[in-house]
Amino acid sequence: TQLLEQSPQFLSIQEGENLTVYCNSSSVFSSLQWYRQEPGEGPVLLVTVVTGGEVKKLKRLTFQFGDARKDSSLHITAAQPGDTGLYLCAGGRISGGSNYKLTFGKGTLLTVNP
Amino acid sequence: SQTIHQWPATLVQPVGSPLSLECTVEGTSNPNLYWYRQAAGRGLQLLFYSVGIGQISSEVPQNLSASRPQDRQFILSSKKLLLSDSGFYLCAWSSWLGYTFGSGTRLTVV
Repeated sequence: TQLLEQSPQFLSIQEGENLTVYCNSSSVFSSLQWYRQEPGEGPVLLVTVVTGGEVKKLKRLTFQFGDARKDSSLHITAAQPGDTGLYLCAGGRISGGSNYKLTFGKGTLLTVNP
Repeated sequence: SQTIHQWPATLVQPVGSPLSLECTVEGTSNPNLYWYRQAAGRGLQLLFYSVGIGQISSEVPQNLSASRPQDRQFILSSKKLLLSDSGFYLCAWSSWLGYTFGSGTRLTVV
């Protein structure tokens, strides 16, 4: 079983601060995805990274995939209350020929206070 | 565009009663479909996945079962619910870019 460890589990910051969330594993993944989930809703895909060392930017969010494709980070610049939510990382691997399976971390619950 | 529908949004069921949650996908054919359970708003546990009609793989032993009677329909069932079946159930379909999740069903077994 491939495990993904996310840290920190909980993060409460003030509006305007920067933050970084980490996702680590001892296993190699073919891709790494980040999702954001609001209470009572399903997770929504933010980004997929597939190449070791890859960096993607989505407005104030910067995602990085580790060189060895075992870890990833999410950095948010100048956090806003609208960034509040559960951030989940998920590692993807091909399984059983055609099935693309994801292993999810337990998430980082971010609260941005105005 | 692809969309995924999941219902009902909330459900309160007594212990020992049956369960049927339905998920349908539009805008794609032969999707890989998944049922996840999420406890206490945290990580997702994969329950079942299906790569085609009638093909179901179970990830964890449990009181639940899944069926895929049509290409874009995925059903999660139980004959007799347990208290421990309470949780937030999510259906999803996958592509190389990632998973698209339904809006979830909050199941409370009382």
